[in-house]
Amino acid sequence: SQTIHQWPATLVQPVGSPLSLECTVEGTSNPNLYWYRQAAGRGLQLLFYSVGIGQISSEVPQNLSASRPQDRQFILSSKKLLLSDSGFYLCAWSVARGRWSTDTQYFGPGTRLTVL
Amino acid sequence: AQTVTQSQPEMSVQEAETVTLSCTYDTSESDYYLFWYKQPPSRQMILVIRQEAYKQQNATENRFSVNFQKAAKSFSLKISDSQLGDAAMYFCADGGATNKLIFGTGTLLAVQP
Repeated sequence: SQTIHQWPATLVQPVGSPLSLECTVEGTSNPNLYWYRQAAGRGLQLLFYSVGIGQISSEVPQNLSASRPQDRQFILSSKKLLLSDSGFYLCAWSVARGRWSTDTQYFGPGTRLTVL
Repeated sequence: AQTVTQSQPEMSVQEAETVTLSCTYDTSESDYYLFWYKQPPSRQMILVIRQEAYKQQNATENRFSVNFQKAAKSFSLKISDSQLGDAAMYFCADGGATNKLIFGTGTLLAVQP
């Protein structure tokens, strides 16, 4: 069966510090991968998605970036965190079905980021 | 552009009763999927039910069922025999051939014992 991991679970960082959040998927090959952010009491905002190694699409202009160095690894980064980067970050994966690419997304446990 | 609207920020239901959560969407895609996800206090998103737009039959998963009205672009979730563990935030989502899911703003469901 497939599993998705995220770490760390919780992170408190000062403004201006760098960020690296990691997501890995097990039990599947060539998945589509996604990063979402959820502010307190709000819905999910898609930040990045990837359909393959090195292929990253950005949805929202910001000081965050994403990379996919391996097939089942997805990393969210920032060189300098802002207060507005605080939130709950969720990674998700889905089966790549070609035209039917927006199939069920399965989510990781999330990372709670607080920027002080 | 795809949009998803959940007009009920909060709902409440008595244990063992039935509740319906509303969702409307707007998409230009001809083929798409619709989803309901549950987010309990742990905040992990859990798939509740999925509907393929080309299927006329409404999807069901145990106590959860949907009322899919394609022409009206409506996709409501019915929870029967509500249980305390059903208390959570529920998100409706719309997916098309665009590598994206568009989520609504959520409905917070409280279950009263």
